[in-house]
Amino acid sequence: QSVLTQPPSASGTPGQRVTISCSGSSSNIGSNTVNWYQQLPGTAPKLLIYSNNQRPSGVPDRFSGSKSGTSASLAISGLQSEDEADYYCAAWDDSLNGHVVFGGGTKLTVL
Amino acid sequence: EVQLVESGGGLVQPGGSLRLSCAASGFTFSSYSMNWVRQAPGKGLEWVSYISSSSSTIYYADSVKGRFTISRDNAKNSLYLQMNSLRDEDTAVYYCAREYYDSSGYYYTDAFDIWGQGTMVTVSS
Repeated sequence: QSVLTQPPSASGTPGQRVTISCSGSSSNIGSNTVNWYQQLPGTAPKLLIYSNNQRPSGVPDRFSGSKSGTSASLAISGLQSEDEADYYCAAWDDSLNGHVVFGGGTKLTVL
Repeated sequence: EVQLVESGGGLVQPGGSLRLSCAASGFTFSSYSMNWVRQAPGKGLEWVSYISSSSSTIYYADSVKGRFTISRDNAKNSLYLQMNSLRDEDTAVYYCAREYYDSSGYYYTDAFDIWGQGTMVTVSS
């Protein structure tokens, strides 16, 4: 059971906009920033969004993040086949000294 | 090229020990805090341990506290994870991961931008 809650799956067709939610509590998302990772099959995770809504260099602006209260969302617009991957949210948890907690992951399928 | 390369994984019996290594290159290793993150087969990501750039601050997940020890050697650009009293549930791919430093000069300790390829640890009799 992950500390952060994500839907196990999501799907969309090419060109569509999809969103993935991440629900937490006051000790993690409610008081800290949220980061998002993309993990393509058989590869290491890649930082997609940091500090709620910032993109590292090289990440397309099709990817965006937002946070409100104890929840966060990742939005992918103009969905492409190469976006098919697992997506994880993560945040510090103040109730767990020094701990980063991850969501259980959402498998995105491009139909 | 900025790179992290893990090694040391393998098959070990329950109760056994293993030492993982992570070799860093292409960046000033001593300036960054580092982490170990693991992923059990078919499962999600689990943060394991954190060490600050100077080794002055160390954290562990409750699931490994008292059994695992994180360390680093900045002179050798290397990160380590000593794993003792291994259990079946420690079976996973173990990744080392670097904290993110953005162009504005700020370190995001909770965000990991560089990951190794992972090393598989299998605990089984």
